Amino acid sequence: DVKVTQSSRYLVKRTGEKVFLECVQDMDHENMFWYRQDPGLGLRLIYFSYDVKMKEKGDIPEGYSVSREKKERFSLILESASTNQTSMYLCASDPRSLETSTDTQYFGPGTRLTVL
Amino acid sequence: AQSVAQPEDQVNVAEGNPLTVKCTYSVSGNPYLFWYVQYPNRGLQFLLKYITGDNLVKGSYGFEAEFNKSQTSFHLKKPSALVSDSALYFCAVRDGYGGSQGNLIFGKGTKLSVKP
Repeated sequence: DVKVTQSSRYLVKRTGEKVFLECVQDMDHENMFWYRQDPGLGLRLIYFSYDVKMKEKGDIPEGYSVSREKKERFSLILESASTNQTSMYLCASDPRSLETSTDTQYFGPGTRLTVL
Repeated sequence: AQSVAQPEDQVNVAEGNPLTVKCTYSVSGNPYLFWYVQYPNRGLQFLLKYITGDNLVKGSYGFEAEFNKSQTSFHLKKPSALVSDSALYFCAVRDGYGGSQGNLIFGKGTKLSVKP
């Protein structure tokens, strides 16, 4: 089975701290994604990556950055956490190549981040 | 632009009754449609997808969905609801085209509550 893991299930940080959220997948997927989930807003794409050292902005990249140094690992970075970044963060991966798009995404369990 | 609408924030059903969770979509090309379920404090789990072929798609846990091209809908259904089906359900669409335009677009989610 595909497995996507996230480094923390729950995280509490203070305003201004630098926060790292780690995601690892074990299926050699090319594509990885970071979403945030907020009530009434569904899932919103923050950043995604199609390959190592490659990244593209999603719909809401402001206040975030990402790093993909290895194929299996995709990190989300909050350079200076703010209270409006309190949310559930979901990582996902999929094996989709650029030529086909019939696959599905596989999700990690999520990290619930609280910024005080 | 691609979009997905889930018109109901919440659906309430009695156990044993049929359930329907609605989803409509808008894409420029052929739609690839997905349903995911999320249990409390968990990531999203894939339920089923429509790519091509039969309009009625069967998935996990007894769920099925019907693709209706003329109504641009992909409603999720189950003949007999269980209390354990209570969860948050997300519909997603991907335009049938690779590259960055092929990312999943999610609806805002519908909370399904099944009462005994």
